[in-house]
Amino acid sequence: AQSVTQPDIHITVSEGASLELRCNYSYGATPYLFWYVQSPGQGLQLLLKYFSGDTLVQGIKGFEAEFKRSQSSFNLRKPSVHWSDAAEYFCAVITNTDKLIFGTGTRLQVFP
Amino acid sequence: SQTIHQWPATLVQPVGSPLSLECTVEGTSNPNLYWYRQAAGRGLQLLFYSVGIGQISSEVPQNLSASRPQDRQFILSSKKLLLSDSGFYLCAWSSGTGGEKLFFGSGTQLSVL
Repeated sequence: AQSVTQPDIHITVSEGASLELRCNYSYGATPYLFWYVQSPGQGLQLLLKYFSGDTLVQGIKGFEAEFKRSQSSFNLRKPSVHWSDAAEYFCAVITNTDKLIFGTGTRLQVFP
Repeated sequence: SQTIHQWPATLVQPVGSPLSLECTVEGTSNPNLYWYRQAAGRGLQLLFYSVGIGQISSEVPQNLSASRPQDRQFILSSKKLLLSDSGFYLCAWSSGTGGEKLFFGSGTQLSVL
């Protein structure tokens, strides 16, 4: 069965530091992968997505993610974190029947 | 343009009371429709999934049910709410072409007391 794992429940970084949020998926075919962000009191916003082609995907707000088939991973990165990046981040995969499966999320705290 | 409406935004209900959350989509036809719940510490959980009118897939056994009486209307219901039904409920739709277009509603914060 398809699944998504986000190993880190909670991450704390200092403002200006680099960030990497981990995501591993389980899926037999080439997956469609997504990263979403949910800010406090707001809905989900799509950061970026991977369908095919270049394995390094650029998204909004300075985020990028790299698809690594050999590791079944799709980690989210940002070179320099801003205080406004504090939020909950969700990795997700679309199955072959168009169901969107989410990971359990990673809560990011940013200290000044 | 396509829009998705979900209401109410917040809801406080006593244990044992019924529930009805409504989601409607505009500007598209035959969307795939989803109900998700985000409970504290558990992330986003897919509850129900629908590819057409009257076609509902239930992903987890629970106290909730879903219906799709019209092409662009998706309703989440319960006859008797439990404390464990508290959470943040999100409706979403996709075009069914691999996820290129995926939109979420603004969510409903349900508190069962």
